[in-house]
Amino acid sequence: AQTVTQSQPEMSVQEAETVTLSCTYDTSESDYYLFWYKQPPSRQMILVIRQEAYKQQNATENRFSVNFQKAAKSFSLKISDSQLGDAAMYFCAYRSNSNYQLIWGAGTKLIIKP
Amino acid sequence: NAGVTQTPKFQVLKTGQSMTLQCAQDMNHNSMYWYRQDPGMGLRLIYYSASEGTTDKGEVPNGYNVSRLNKREFSLRLESAAPSQTSVYFCASSERQGRINEKLFFGSGTQLSVL
Repeated sequence: AQTVTQSQPEMSVQEAETVTLSCTYDTSESDYYLFWYKQPPSRQMILVIRQEAYKQQNATENRFSVNFQKAAKSFSLKISDSQLGDAAMYFCAYRSNSNYQLIWGAGTKLIIKP
Repeated sequence: NAGVTQTPKFQVLKTGQSMTLQCAQDMNHNSMYWYRQDPGMGLRLIYYSASEGTTDKGEVPNGYNVSRLNKREFSLRLESAAPSQTSVYFCASSERQGRINEKLFFGSGTQLSVL
């Protein structure tokens, strides 16, 4: 069965600095998608970034980028120029193309220090 | 531009009581989902509806039932609430399950406590 592991329950970073959140996953599939979702105090889940496994190029969305290492089954999220509004829980998720259900990590709480 | 709307936002039940969580989306999405979120764990899928008229069990369906009332609405029912069902419940929708670029939109959640 597929699993997603986020080994950092909590991370903190100084405003304007860069932080990297870790995510590893376990799968025997070759065709899948990986996601990072943000959950601010409002509780609503917001898609931050998505990576297709067949793409070698790392996905980027403004200040958010990923480091996708398929062989190592690693999918980390880098947030550059951290802002106070980035404070939230961040969840890593996996979805294969044979089973469309999302498998979620336990989340990392990101604290931004002003 | 409401997106996904869940009601209620908070609810306290006694063991054995029943209740229905309501969810509606205004994006003309085909697929809808119910998740639960527990501390220290990722979201777990309870039930989903790939399209109007169909529902399927997810990872943790026991103790729950669902109804896809129409394309907009997908309700989750607890027939006899148990303390183990204390959780935050999220409804989500997507244009169509399995699309290569499927993107889920989430409601703001229901905090449910069962005493």
